[in-house]
Amino acid sequence: GESVGLHLPTLSVQEGDNSIINCAYSNSASDYFIWYKQESGKGPQFIIDIRSNMDKRQGQRVTVLLNKTVKHLSLQIAATQPGDSAVYFCAETAGASGNTPLVFGKGTRLSVIA
Amino acid sequence: NAGVTQTPKFRILKIGQSMTLQCTQDMNHNYMYWYRQDPGMGLKLIYYSVGAGITDKGEVPNGYNVSRSTTEDFPLRLELAAPSQTSVYFCASSYGEETQYFGPGTRLLVL
Repeated sequence: GESVGLHLPTLSVQEGDNSIINCAYSNSASDYFIWYKQESGKGPQFIIDIRSNMDKRQGQRVTVLLNKTVKHLSLQIAATQPGDSAVYFCAETAGASGNTPLVFGKGTRLSVIA
Repeated sequence: NAGVTQTPKFRILKIGQSMTLQCTQDMNHNYMYWYRQDPGMGLKLIYYSVGAGITDKGEVPNGYNVSRSTTEDFPLRLELAAPSQTSVYFCASSYGEETQYFGPGTRLLVL
């Protein structure tokens, strides 16, 4: 069936460097994508989203890039900080009706080295 | 706003026992969801609801039941607890089909 997956399960980054977390999706009908951050012992927290009519969207220190041609999504974190250490999930949905709930990837653990 | 609240935070059940995980949101969201997250894994959708009186199965509904009698509440029922149901359970809500807001989770251990 359709799935959302991640290229790398773990990522270690030096504090101050930029982080890039990748995500592949297989449902060509997906039109909305979200990145979530989950800290240990907490629920997922919304970071940034992007619609399929966009290629790039920027937030505070974060940028999401969408390449529909290869069905690839990435999250870039600038000047990574220790507080960015968490598991990051991408999620996608293909419907505006609510009958196609978000499908989550397995997650990438980001470890920031001080 | 309190957002999405879940009770209890942690529970130990014996095999065959039943329990209800409570979820309440005060954001007037129509959509509500239940997920389970096994250690080191992503989220799997159990059930969801697009409004009061409407529920639908997600990816892993077996062994669970839900009801949605009000907009605010979306309880998840385990009738006969099994060790395979040991997991962390997250409730979420959303205004539409998009950004979901998650509760803090309920950690369940079935022995």
